[in-house]
Amino acid sequence: KQEVTQIPAALSVPEGENLVLNCSFTDSAIYNLQWFRQDPGKGLTSLLLIQSSQREQTSGRLNASLDKSSGRSTLYIAASQPGDSATYLCAVKWGGGADGLTFGKGTHLIIQP
Amino acid sequence: ETGVTQSPTHLIKTRGQQVTLRCSSQSGHNTVSWYQQALGQGPQFIFQYYREEENGRGNFPPRFSGLQFPNYSSELNVNALELDDSALYLCASSLDRPHSGNTIYFGEGSWLTVV
Repeated sequence: KQEVTQIPAALSVPEGENLVLNCSFTDSAIYNLQWFRQDPGKGLTSLLLIQSSQREQTSGRLNASLDKSSGRSTLYIAASQPGDSATYLCAVKWGGGADGLTFGKGTHLIIQP
Repeated sequence: ETGVTQSPTHLIKTRGQQVTLRCSSQSGHNTVSWYQQALGQGPQFIFQYYREEENGRGNFPPRFSGLQFPNYSSELNVNALELDDSALYLCASSLDRPHSGNTIYFGEGSWLTVV
């Protein structure tokens, strides 16, 4: 079964720290992997999209890496700010069909001022 | 602002009733998909439409059905509502073909409560 797991489920850190969120997936034959942010009661905002052929993507203070062979992706957030507080979701699209995205349960992140 | 709008934002239905949720995508976004997100869970894929035809479906029963229209709007219909259908329903759209790997844009969702 193709599954996505995110660790930790929740994380609370002081403002200014650099942090890493982890995502693992069971099948390395992915098409792409995407990181989303979700604020409470809201929809999802795409942060970074990594295609299967790529190793990482960067946007501002965010950097996402992809290691297909180990079935892992990490989202690195530099110099965290209280506005970064949200739930971060990892989603995988597996190649070979129109099966939509498979999401992890997310990491609930709180940045303490 | 993702350019994807959903309505209604909140609604309450009784078990056994039927519900229609609506979504308006960005112009040119030929692919629309719907997801169900229960509290504390990640979204789960319901189905996907490309140019008005369903071309992918997750593990949801036939009482979940959809339509996509030429004006980039779409609907999710759920018949015979059950208590477990209570969730946030998310619409997502993307440009171009379903396998192009383009970024997916989500709406704010419709909160459905079944009592």
